[in-house]
This record gives sequence, C-alpha cells and structure tokens, in this order.
Amino acid sequence: GAGVSQTPSNKVTEKGKYVELRCDPISGHTALYWYRQSLGQGPEFLIYFQGTGAADDSGLPNDRFFAVRPEGSVSTLKIQRTERGDSAVYLCASSLEGTSGRPYYNEQFFGPGTRLTVL
Amino acid sequence: QKEVEQDPGPLSVPEGAIVSLNCTYSNSAFQYFMWYRQYSRKGPELLMYTYSSGNKEDGRFTAQVDKSSKYISLFIRDSQPSDSATYLCAMSRPGGYQKVTFGTGTKLQVIP
Repeated sequence: GAGVSQTPSNKVTEKGKYVELRCDPISGHTALYWYRQSLGQGPEFLIYFQGTGAADDSGLPNDRFFAVRPEGSVSTLKIQRTERGDSAVYLCASSLEGTSGRPYYNEQFFGPGTRLTVL
Repeated sequence: QKEVEQDPGPLSVPEGAIVSLNCTYSNSAFQYFMWYRQYSRKGPELLMYTYSSGNKEDGRFTAQVDKSSKYISLFIRDSQPSDSATYLCAMSRPGGYQKVTFGTGTKLQVIP
C-alpha cells in the first residue's frame, strides 16, 4: 500500500485481557515509531525501532507493554493485562533512516491508528 | 509542567479569516519545529517544519519560530472550511533519529 496501515482499526476488550496491535509501515522505511493518543491530547511517544531493534523504548509506560519488529518491517505492539487507563488511539508512524546534524527533518508518516477501548 | 504547551481551543473563525495558532516550549534543546494537521479519526499529517529559528511560508501557511522566547506560531491566511481540523505543534532535538514531542493540539473550525 501507499501509506502506513494499522489493524485492527478498532479493538474492544475487557480489563485484564491481552491485545496485539499491528502496524505495516511504508515500504523501505527503516524507522518505525509507536505513539499513544489519549482523548483531547497530542500523541505521546512510546517506542522507536531502527530496523529490527528497539532503539528507544523510554516511552513505554510499564512492563505490560511490549513491541516487536522481527523482520524489520511489520511491528506488533502487545499489551498484557489491559487496564481501563490503556484506552486510547495507538498510532504508528514510519520514516526513512534518521539523519544526523543536518537541517532536514525525516517526515514521520502516520497510520490511521487503532482505537483501543478497555471495558 | 509539560515540555510543550498548546491551547486546546476550540477555535471558531469565519471563512476567509486569518488564523493564528501558537505553542510555547521549555526545552532549549529542541531544534526542529513542526506543525501537523489531524482530521477526525485520522493520523496526523505533516504540514511544514522549520529548523532552528526563522519563518517559513508554504502557500496559505506561515510558520514562525522565536527560540529566544521559546514560542512558535502557525498562521493560516484565507482560511477555508477544509482547514477545519486539529493542529498539533511538535518538536524534536537534532540527532540520528527524531523522537517527537507533541503539543495537546488546537481544534479549529472554519465556518462557511
């Protein structure tokens, strides 16, 4: 596809359940980001992948959250023992490899998000 | 205190008006300043970005950065109903990758 795709678009689950959210980045983009957007807030950084490895997971709120990108393309965000406070839109973005020291911003292209509701 | 502060609005203007959106920030390490537009139930899309201080113009949109005041602005001229969306300011440090810090977003409605 032409853009970043995310599945499912909506996910409703019960408190305590396990969920997986999938992101399919733009072909050729080596950098992949996960953000969480709560109602009325801006996106909040969760984790960044460069290739297969998580280069920065400082935004993951706790050890219930985990993300993988085993082949350097598709990524899955996994949430264990979901809580009502996890309800939000989970956004994925991808970009070309980051540059260093140059005044050029590698645009992050966002997917439409997965709307997670924990009952 | 958040690193990036943005008035959430909502802001309602008549078609054709000039719109001014702004953000303040506290982290002096930020060097990239972006404006994203987000339509309802969509992901954010980049409108424009500025590196360090200065102005940048793209059609009806002008972005301004004042690093001395830690203040950035987005101006929209001749606003159109299709401009109705949430506008997010965003910032990042320079470096090998760019973790982006977003503002809360300002919801704009342009009335025909």
